[in-house]
Amino acid sequence: QQQVKQSPQSLIVQKGGISIINCAYENTAFDYFPWYQQFPGKGPALLIAIRPDVSEKKEGRFTISFNKSAKQFSLHIMDSQPGDSATYFCAASMKTSGSRLTFGEGTQLTVNP
Amino acid sequence: GAVVSQHPSRVICKSGTSVKIECRSLDFQATTMFWYRQFPKQSLMLMATSNEGSKATYEQGVEKDKFLINHASLTLSTLTVTSAHPEDSSFYICSATSPRDGYGYTFGSGTRLTVV
Repeated sequence: QQQVKQSPQSLIVQKGGISIINCAYENTAFDYFPWYQQFPGKGPALLIAIRPDVSEKKEGRFTISFNKSAKQFSLHIMDSQPGDSATYFCAASMKTSGSRLTFGEGTQLTVNP
Repeated sequence: GAVVSQHPSRVICKSGTSVKIECRSLDFQATTMFWYRQFPKQSLMLMATSNEGSKATYEQGVEKDKFLINHASLTLSTLTVTSAHPEDSSFYICSATSPRDGYGYTFGSGTRLTVV
């Protein structure tokens, strides 16, 4: 199975709050799990990515938590800001040349001031 | 970091005409390039995968004669929408990957195609 399921579809958070987006995958051959941020009319930009040999990765306000046994991973945005309002996509792929990315359905995040 | 340049960013064309979209990797050699289509408020849909010097591999349901992909060099891939119709109006995005980049995926800024 190549699917990656993402939830919630939309999320509203107050400024300063924590935004949490979840993803689940089925293909155990996946070994690269990136998160992308996309603003309207722009291409996706890599936010943070993780490999399955670690359970957590933090970069600034963004943290990925990875649960290999449950085949789930999540994005946490700490101290959410209005500028974080965007669409977020999780994705997964296999670390081989030419391997495609499988995207989740996307989460539209709105951070209210 | 790796940069992918895509243009034009916006194009309007008449029904029946063809439109070419370019995707260039500026500071790395892209062994594989991907072309996506994205409808409003939806995820990215992979259209095709192209490797330099070989024919593109199209996803099921994507018309290869309508969406011509050329990957003639390690830094340039083009998508040509032939005989465009209003239903082809969409946001098209390219992505490139390279072994040197650890197989990370770098995306272009997208092209908004409107067929009138």
